[in-house]
Amino acid sequence: GAVVSQHPSRVICKSGTSVKIECRSLDFQATTMFWYRQFPKQSLMLMATSNEGSKATYEQGVEKDKFLINHASLTLSTLTVTSAHPEDSSFYICSASSDSFDYGYTFGSGTRLTVV
Amino acid sequence: SQKIEQNSEALNIQEGKTATLTCNYTNYSPAYLQWYRQDPGRGPVFLLLIRENEKEKRKERLKVTFDTTLKQSLFHITASQPADSATYLCALSSGSARQLTFGSGTQLTVLP
Repeated sequence: GAVVSQHPSRVICKSGTSVKIECRSLDFQATTMFWYRQFPKQSLMLMATSNEGSKATYEQGVEKDKFLINHASLTLSTLTVTSAHPEDSSFYICSASSDSFDYGYTFGSGTRLTVV
Repeated sequence: SQKIEQNSEALNIQEGKTATLTCNYTNYSPAYLQWYRQDPGRGPVFLLLIRENEKEKRKERLKVTFDTTLKQSLFHITASQPADSATYLCALSSGSARQLTFGSGTQLTVLP
């Protein structure tokens, strides 16, 4: 079945630094990738939608200059958290879909970001 | 505004029984409704998808119903096992928008 690889699984960074999270579709071409954020005991909140070769579409309230998304190929999307602050600490999850929607979306295993 | 509610933040049942989870939505006309399983510290795993014109879908011990009049979906796990313990999320999307909107989830614990 479809596999999405997300790295790193955990990262601790100092306040003010930037962190890059990678999301790769291993055995299919992902025309669309989604980035979510999840706080403890809460559900997934969509941050942005990225389509290969075009700019990402951000949800209301998500700072595009802070959360940089690049979807340079059909198998790779990256999320860069710039100038990270402790309030950016969260669980970040990507998901990918091909053109066929019938089988749901495949999610990465998530990245636990802790900003100290 | 669109709202998705999953009744019961937590549900405990005895092994072997049928678990029934509920997903209600308002101000939404979804074309698709999906159910996912999420284990702690992991991403969601797709379980079942049901379309607006479908009433019921089954997969092994899982069954999903979709009532667009009641604006509700029920998710059943029959012959539940401790390994079924996880958080279950319902998610909706419209036909044109590919984004998923998730409910808050129900944490299911199957007691041995």
